[in-house]
Amino acid sequence: AQSVTQLGSHVSVSEGALVLLRCNYSSSVPPYLFWYVQYPNQGLQLLLKYTTGATLVKGINGFEAEFKKSETSFHLTKPSAHMSDAAEYFCAVNIPSNAGKSTFGDGTTLTVKP
Amino acid sequence: DTGVSQDPRHKITKRGQNVTFRCDPISEHNRLYWYRQTLGQGPEFLTYFQNEAQLEKSRLLSDRFSAERPKGSFSTLEIQRTEQGDSAMYLCASSLETGTGGYGYTFGSGTRLTVV
Repeated sequence: AQSVTQLGSHVSVSEGALVLLRCNYSSSVPPYLFWYVQYPNQGLQLLLKYTTGATLVKGINGFEAEFKKSETSFHLTKPSAHMSDAAEYFCAVNIPSNAGKSTFGDGTTLTVKP
Repeated sequence: DTGVSQDPRHKITKRGQNVTFRCDPISEHNRLYWYRQTLGQGPEFLTYFQNEAQLEKSRLLSDRFSAERPKGSFSTLEIQRTEQGDSAMYLCASSLETGTGGYGYTFGSGTRLTVV
């Protein structure tokens, strides 16, 4: 079975600072990995995904993530935080044989201070 | 493309009552998923459909829960004899999945159920 651990349920950064949200996964086979963002009172929105190929993937709103197989990690980064980035972020893993079913982490709430 | 719609947005019900939620996916998406999210946790898989066929159900889905997707269009999730532990956000997602799960989801805004 696969699992996801998001280190840090709350992360606070200053506007303009680097954003780093950590995600580690466990999987018996090469996984597909996703980051979603959830704004208050809204559904989750896909930020970016890794399936195969280039391990550094770019997503919407200036976010990117790097798949590191040796570290079983898929950390999300953004060079410069904006106030509008304040939201909850979820990392998710799919096992290719599981027909698109995702296992989600418990989320990290990002606060951006002015 | 109007996105994934869920109705109602909020539902308050008394314990023991039945409730039904509706999800309208993106029309060209062939897969539809139901997830449940409780406070402080990520979404947990409940069930999914490929077109009109329900292909998998989680152990979380007791016999009080039933889901349908008639004609492969909208889907309904019914909870019978609700319990306080059913209070959660119920999320619907759809996907144009042609392979082994790498497409990603489009989520609706969810239905928040409160059982009193």
